[in-house]
Amino acid sequence: EVQLVESGGNLVQPGGFLTLSCAASGFGVSRNFMGWVRQAPGKGLEWVSTMSTGGVTYYADSMQGRFFISRDNSKNTLSLLMKNLRLEDTAIYYCAKFGSASFMDFFDAWGQGSLVIVSS
Amino acid sequence: EIVMTQSPDTLSAPPGERATLSCRASQSVSSNLAWYQQKPGQAPRLLIYGASTRATGIPARFSGSGSGTEFTLTINTLQSEDFAVYYCQQYNNWPLTFGGGTKVEIK
Repeated sequence: EVQLVESGGNLVQPGGFLTLSCAASGFGVSRNFMGWVRQAPGKGLEWVSTMSTGGVTYYADSMQGRFFISRDNSKNTLSLLMKNLRLEDTAIYYCAKFGSASFMDFFDAWGQGSLVIVSS
Repeated sequence: EIVMTQSPDTLSAPPGERATLSCRASQSVSSNLAWYQQKPGQAPRLLIYGASTRATGIPARFSGSGSGTEFTLTINTLQSEDFAVYYCQQYNNWPLTFGGGTKVEIK
């Protein structure tokens, strides 16, 4: 069974940094395109970042240069390092698995989410 | 960036009725359109991809149609567990974008 479990969400001050982790089971993160999607309180879904099977990374424009996606194949985990956090980064961050080997695809499995609150 | 617009914002219907949700893309996304269901406090769940293909384990009362810029999600015979928020997502153009969601509530 495919399962994704996020951790690391917390309260952080503006300008601070935080790392989210996503533990995968039932499949290998290195063999699938993986991504992060966020949802601000009471709002819709926003794509954040993608990592390809080959390790190529993609970011939404507003996160470029501040967010960094990575993976640990030995631990089968995906991570998201978020720097210079802004108030508007407050959201639930979901780890998600792409349906196929393409960065242009849908998400066929999601974690339960990790809440990040940026506030002074 | 392709803008996805969903309508209505809220749909009120009693159990047993049919619900029809719309999603419009600002430019053609071919059939590269997915639908998700999200219940309060839960992660989204994939319902439909390729505009009309049901994901594994999704009941047949959910159906998707459309191509290009106009898409529809139909829920036949609403069940109590279907009351939720539904999102569409295009994956034809970068960046991936989602619609604002339609809330299906009990009337």
